Amino acid sequence: RKEVEQDPGPFNVPEGATVAFNCTYSNSASQSFFWYRQDCRKEPKLLMSVYSSGNEDGRFTAQLNRASQYISLLIRDSKLSDSATYLCVVNKRGDSWGKLQFGAGTQVVVTP
Amino acid sequence: DTAVSQTPKYLVTQMGNDKSIKCEQNLGHDTMYWYKQDSKKFLKIMFSYNNKELIINETVPNRFSPKSPDKAHLNLHINSLELGDSAVYFCASSQAPPRLASSYNEQFFGPGTRLTVL
Repeated sequence: RKEVEQDPGPFNVPEGATVAFNCTYSNSASQSFFWYRQDCRKEPKLLMSVYSSGNEDGRFTAQLNRASQYISLLIRDSKLSDSATYLCVVNKRGDSWGKLQFGAGTQVVVTP
Repeated sequence: DTAVSQTPKYLVTQMGNDKSIKCEQNLGHDTMYWYKQDSKKFLKIMFSYNNKELIINETVPNRFSPKSPDKAHLNLHINSLELGDSAVYFCASSQAPPRLASSYNEQFFGPGTRLTVL
């Protein structure tokens, strides 16, 4: 089983609609969680960290469910510019120096 | 100002050759990384250096050798290139190593080096 799993998509979303997707992680010792965004043929960039109580950043809402070991990302009022691959990233604190585990990404395509 | 830069952006070479990729960051970060992203889009950590000290060395063939002359630079040398080495290689940096599990380990990525081995 992969340490971080994501539905690859694509999720085809009409402009203005809401889309949500999850990411599951296998290591219960995981301590911190992030969503990165990667545009086609570009480098990944941090979208937002995911906090235990859930957090919002504009149209983006991230949630963490430790009991079921998943995090989610919801995008409201989708824009064409939201089309990208969203990478789920998990960090296990205390494992020597630690390292980030990346999921393979969920592709979102926002259509006019 | 480019925060994390890599050269070259594209590298096309024959099997068996030796090649190097260079990375520099001007963010003043302590930790730098090399990642490999293959055709299936998985981003896998290869190496990490913290203040010029190797701290993460994943199961990577010995043909790959990182070098950090100072904390702003992390280069990757690859010997005897194989077809399976074709991928995009990303350099990244963060203020602190991942074990601190805080915003200090947000990773800033370079633009990537697209390596094609023929």
